[in-house]
Amino acid sequence: EVQLLESGGGLVQPGGSLRLSCAASGFTFSSSGMTWVRQAPGKGLEWVSVIVSGGLTTHYADAVKGRFTISRDNSKNMLYLQMNSLRAEDTAVYYCARVSRGAMDVWGQGTTLTVSS
Amino acid sequence: EIVLTQSPGTLSLSPGERATLSCRASQSVSSSYLAWYQQKPGQAPRLLIYSASSRATGIPDRFSGSGSGTDFTLTISRLEPEDFAVYYCQQYGSSPLLTFGGGTKVEIK
Repeated sequence: EVQLLESGGGLVQPGGSLRLSCAASGFTFSSSGMTWVRQAPGKGLEWVSVIVSGGLTTHYADAVKGRFTISRDNSKNMLYLQMNSLRAEDTAVYYCARVSRGAMDVWGQGTTLTVSS
Repeated sequence: EIVLTQSPGTLSLSPGERATLSCRASQSVSSSYLAWYQQKPGQAPRLLIYSASSRATGIPDRFSGSGSGTDFTLTISRLEPEDFAVYYCQQYGSSPLLTFGGGTKVEIK
C-alpha cells in the first residue's frame, strides 16, 4: 500500500525550532519528487517546499524561505522539514505529499504544529 | 507572481445537480500542470484531476476537468452525497513554483 506518515508536530514557542518527518512506503521513494503543504486552522492549502527525487534541487515559498529546510534520506525513505525561527503564522497542519506530473497524488494524514507562548 | 482565483467561494446545490467550479489564473498556466483536489473536514486533500483534464486513479467519471491558458473548470456532473466538500485548484511551474487557489466549498442546499 502506498503510504506517507508524518510525525514530529507539536507545540513550540515563537522563535523555536522543530523538525517534521515523513515516512514513505509502498512506492519507489528515491524516484519521486516530494513536497510539504500546510493548512492553517480554518484556511486553505498553502505550498511550503518541494524537493526533487535526488535531493539536489529544492524550492521554497517566500513565507518560509531562509527559515525552513527540506531534505530527504532516500536510503531510509524519509522526507524532512527543518523549521527554524518559528512564528505564530506557521501554526498549521503540515502534510507531506508525493509530486507526480506536477500534482500531488499521495498525501499523508498530516501533523499539527502550534507556535505559541 | 501567479495567483489562482476560484469562484464561487461557496456553491449551494442539491444531490443530483451539476456543479461547475471555476479557477482563473492571473497568468497563463501550462495545462500539463493544473490539478484539482477534494478535501473533506479532518481529512487530507485527495487528487481528482491532473493535467487539467485527466482523472486520477479511482476517481469517478462524474468528475471532469477542462480549460486552458488562464481559465479552468471542474465539473461534477451529478452530485452524490459524498461530493459535498471543499475543492482546490493548483498550478505547478510558474513563479511561485506551486500555488493553490483559495478553494470552493460545495454545500448541500
